[in-house]
Amino acid sequence: LAKTTQPISMDSYEGQEVNITCSHNNIATNDYITWYQQFPSQGPRFIIQGYKTKVTNEVASLFIPADRKSSTLSLPRVSLSDTAVYYCLVGDIVNYGQNFVFGPGTRLSVLP
Amino acid sequence: NAGVTQTPKFRVLKTGQSMTLLCAQDMNHEYMYWYRQDPGMGLRLIHYSVGEGTTAKGEVPDGYNVSRLKKQNFLLGLESAAPSQTSLYFCASSYSLRDPTNEKLFFGSGTQLSVL
Repeated sequence: LAKTTQPISMDSYEGQEVNITCSHNNIATNDYITWYQQFPSQGPRFIIQGYKTKVTNEVASLFIPADRKSSTLSLPRVSLSDTAVYYCLVGDIVNYGQNFVFGPGTRLSVLP
Repeated sequence: NAGVTQTPKFRVLKTGQSMTLLCAQDMNHEYMYWYRQDPGMGLRLIHYSVGEGTTAKGEVPDGYNVSRLKKQNFLLGLESAAPSQTSLYFCASSYSLRDPTNEKLFFGSGTQLSVL
């Protein structure tokens, strides 16, 4: 089970791009990288998932270097509504039931 | 399509009482999970199930029991509630298919449990 390390908190201003980096030095060959977003008193929701290089969707981009020992979630032009906790998960798709373990996440505060 | 539904949304128990939290999903997911979340902490996995009739322990299983008698339902039981079980509980479900694009968790809206 690959352990992940993220910054505990980050501050940003509206309209800025925010990059949150997650370290996962012992990531295994079959592991995928997944990011979730959680608003207060709500369950987390899926943002983006990737295996290598770059993945982009309507919400965010995920950058994964060749060695896959880290990944960066990029949120373009954040707004106040992006204030939330962001979790990075790394796990094996086949054995995912055992690997959906959340760390403390990164608390992002977007300021006006 | 309601997704993942948790009942009740709030509950107050006295120490030693028992109760059951119900999670229901209508997405035909194979995997289901129960998490707890305490202030300032991430989610901790209590128990999970990889299919009807199966259950397994997560990180913090002590004091909880679960059952998955039907594919769409996953029950979390507290036989003798303790103040340490005061927490926000989340249920989640996911596909089991070996398709990475589908291997994501869908969460319910949570159950706030207070044990006095």
